[in-house]
Amino acid sequence: AQSVTQLDSQVPVFEEAPVELRCNYSSSVSVYLFWYVQYPNQGLQLLLKYLSGSTLVKGINGFEAEFNKSQTSFHLRKPSVHISDTAEYFCAASRDTDKLIFGTGTRLQVFP
Amino acid sequence: DVKVTQSSRYLVKRTGEKVFLECVQDMDHENMFWYRQDPGLGLRLIYFSYDVKMKEKGDIPEGYSVSREKKERFSLILESASTNQTSMYLCASRDMGTPNNEQFFGPGTRLTVL
Repeated sequence: AQSVTQLDSQVPVFEEAPVELRCNYSSSVSVYLFWYVQYPNQGLQLLLKYLSGSTLVKGINGFEAEFNKSQTSFHLRKPSVHISDTAEYFCAASRDTDKLIFGTGTRLQVFP
Repeated sequence: DVKVTQSSRYLVKRTGEKVFLECVQDMDHENMFWYRQDPGLGLRLIYFSYDVKMKEKGDIPEGYSVSREKKERFSLILESASTNQTSMYLCASRDMGTPNNEQFFGPGTRLTVL
């Protein structure tokens, strides 16, 4: 069965430092991959998505992610985080179906 | 922009009550979804609907039912609420015609069952 693993449940970081949130998926076929962000007391908002083509995907708020097929990874990165990036981040995958499979989430806490 | 709204942000109910959670989307999307979100478990799919009057069980349907009488509205029903159904409930919708499975989410309903 397809699954999505987010290796870190919490990532603390100081403001203006770089950050990487890790995501691995299990699949041997093409997938669609997503990163969603959830700010406190809000629903999920799409950050970026990989469908095909260039493996480096740029999203909103300065985030980017790289699709690595050989390592089945889709890690999210930002070169310099801001206090307002404090949120929970979810990686998700689907494979030609209507359903998304979500990871368990990573809570990013940015400190001043 | 797609807008997905949920009838309540916070809800408190007693054990055994029948609970209705309502979700409305304004973009004529065919697909709609109900998830529950719990700490450390991420989002788990309860039910989804391909179109009006069509529904399919997700990964954790026990204790829940759904209704889709109109395209824009998808209701989640807890027939007899229990304390282990205390959770955040998220509704989402998707345009079946898009190839990328992107789902649009509502703000969530935090349900507490006492």
